[in-house]
Amino acid sequence: QKEVEQDPGPLSVPEGAIVSLNCTYSNSAFQYFMWYRQYSRKGPELLMYTYSSGNKEDGRFTAQVDKSSKYISLFIRDSQPSDSATYLCAMSHILTGGGNKLTFGTGTQLKVEL
Amino acid sequence: DVKVTQSSRYLVKRTGEKVFLECVQDMDHENMFWYRQDPGLGLRLIYFSYDVKMKEKGDIPEGYSVSREKKERFSLILESASTNQTSMYLCASSLPLTGYEQYFGPGTRLTVT
Repeated sequence: QKEVEQDPGPLSVPEGAIVSLNCTYSNSAFQYFMWYRQYSRKGPELLMYTYSSGNKEDGRFTAQVDKSSKYISLFIRDSQPSDSATYLCAMSHILTGGGNKLTFGTGTQLKVEL
Repeated sequence: DVKVTQSSRYLVKRTGEKVFLECVQDMDHENMFWYRQDPGLGLRLIYFSYDVKMKEKGDIPEGYSVSREKKERFSLILESASTNQTSMYLCASSLPLTGYEQYFGPGTRLTVT
């Protein structure tokens, strides 16, 4: 079983729709929960991160973490064509030498159509 | 703006060749990482480095080695390239205290024939 599971999609939605992206995980040691966005032919970039259970909002994006269920979500409101990308969930735990080791989901490919 | 650059966007090599992938970051980050990204498998960590001269194996180090002689530069070496090492290779860097935020380069698409 993979430590992090993510539905690969692809997911196609009309402009303005609410998008829900999800990941489940099995490692209770994970402390930070992130969503990275990756546009075609680019490296991933951090979109949002949370440290504990609960919700975090940033503009049209809301990240949700439920540690008891080992489940994280990203909601995108009023989706735009510019949101078309692959969304990767990632989770981390602290390394003994410092820094974080990230474990990524496989990514969900999202297309927002006009 | 943090910038992570990788030496090549596309690379084609023959089986058995020694391959060097170079990564440079300009933000004085202590931590640097090499991943490979494959469809259906996501990003998998090959090697990482806490600081100069230091290196640690990631989840899939077999067939790879790394070198970090200067803080800003982290090299990935394929000792004897094989076709199953055809992949997208991504370099990243981060600060120790904010390690959840890794800055990625644009990637090198390596094809081994």
